[in-house]
Amino acid sequence: QVQLVESGGGLVKPGGSLRLSCAASGFIFSDYYMSWIRQAPGRGLEWVSYISGSGTTIYYADSVKGRFTVSRDNAKNSLFLQMKSLRAEDTAVYYCARVANFDYWGQGTLVTVSS
Amino acid sequence: DIQMTQSPSSLSASVGDRVTITCQASQDINNNLNWYQQKPGTAPKVLIYDASTLETGVPSRFSGSGSGTDFTFTISSLQPEDVATYYCQHYDSLPPYTFGQGTKLEIK
Repeated sequence: QVQLVESGGGLVKPGGSLRLSCAASGFIFSDYYMSWIRQAPGRGLEWVSYISGSGTTIYYADSVKGRFTVSRDNAKNSLFLQMKSLRAEDTAVYYCARVANFDYWGQGTLVTVSS
Repeated sequence: DIQMTQSPSSLSASVGDRVTITCQASQDINNNLNWYQQKPGTAPKVLIYDASTLETGVPSRFSGSGSGTDFTFTISSLQPEDVATYYCQHYDSLPPYTFGQGTKLEIK
């Protein structure tokens, strides 16, 4: 069965960096576009980034452009989100999702940006 | 960028009631629209994709309709387990794949 498992969240100071991972299983990972979506505490959902199956097509939300970098390792069935220059407003649960109608999501990993 | 306007932001209804949520896109998104259900502490779950197609395993009391810019999500007979927050999201053409603001549904 399809499974997505995020990891790498934690507490980081403003201006710091963090790298999130998403381990995929149960499907041919390289065949699918993938996305990161986040949800600040008590708030709605915000689409963050998108990467094609080959990794050659990438998009970001304006709110993270220039600070976040999405990548993937198809040999290891893994998706990544490198986050730098983190701000308090980046505090959120970060989800990875398969972009086939966003049909499968991970359980999320919490990133807290606070001094 | 395409904006998604969802209403209402909150809703209280009785068990057995028919519940309707609307979502309006700022431009034509064809039928490239998802409806999600999110319960506290869990990831969103797709209920409806392509605006009106029920995801496998989702009860038939849930339905979606609409095309172009105007979309509707309906629960035909509200059940206690339907208490959740519901979101629309477009996935037309290129990102950003914007979400609606969400509708918090409670039992009266």
